[in-house]
Amino acid sequence: QTVVTQEPSLSVSPGGTVTLTCGLSSGSVSIGYYPSWYQQTPGQAPRTLIYSTNVRSSGVPDRFSGSILGNKAALTITGAQAGDESDYYCVLYMDNAIWVFGGGTKLTVL
Amino acid sequence: QVQLQESGPGLVKPSQTLSLTCTVSGGSISSGSYYWSWIRQPAGKGLEWVGRIYTSGRTNNNPSLKNRVTISADTSKNQFFLKLSSVTGADTAVYYCARAPVIGAPYYFDDWGQGTLVTVSS
Repeated sequence: QTVVTQEPSLSVSPGGTVTLTCGLSSGSVSIGYYPSWYQQTPGQAPRTLIYSTNVRSSGVPDRFSGSILGNKAALTITGAQAGDESDYYCVLYMDNAIWVFGGGTKLTVL
Repeated sequence: QVQLQESGPGLVKPSQTLSLTCTVSGGSISSGSYYWSWIRQPAGKGLEWVGRIYTSGRTNNNPSLKNRVTISADTSKNQFFLKLSSVTGADTAVYYCARAPVIGAPYYFDDWGQGTLVTVSS
């Protein structure tokens, strides 16, 4: 079965820039997988950040941007803030009409 | 503004069937504009898509859950349901219901319920 890969953990300094990636165990991620990104803090439901690769959800600051970098989807956070410390999940929509989540990236801001 | 609310027993015995309901308000599940999904998250672990239903009644499920998943809907009550059979401790998780647009900018989860914890234990 297809595995969606994410960095288990990343860290960024306040004010810095960090890029989280979302890849496939076999093959490349393209816009046809409709990659989307979600932010989750402990005890809360996920919050939608980015959909269709690079469209920001309503109310999401423009510090968050999505793209395809090489063979992966990417979420870039610029001007990182303490409040960005969260778990981040990507999900891809597969040919067989199912969604597959990545394992998540725990982002630390320090 | 649509709202999704999960409900159901918080404790299920091993080998039994887990049953959850998602009640949708502020929008109709029979509109044809959305897929209605179940997603789960074991404590301390990542999100896992369980399955979805569309207006037509067509469903798709996560193959990793074999044939244990049944998703159905009652459009008169604006609810959809999850049944997961033969549960084990590995099915202990917070279960979320969520919706995903079918058209426009599709295939992402734009609204989520708050989640409900289901524990499998004797």
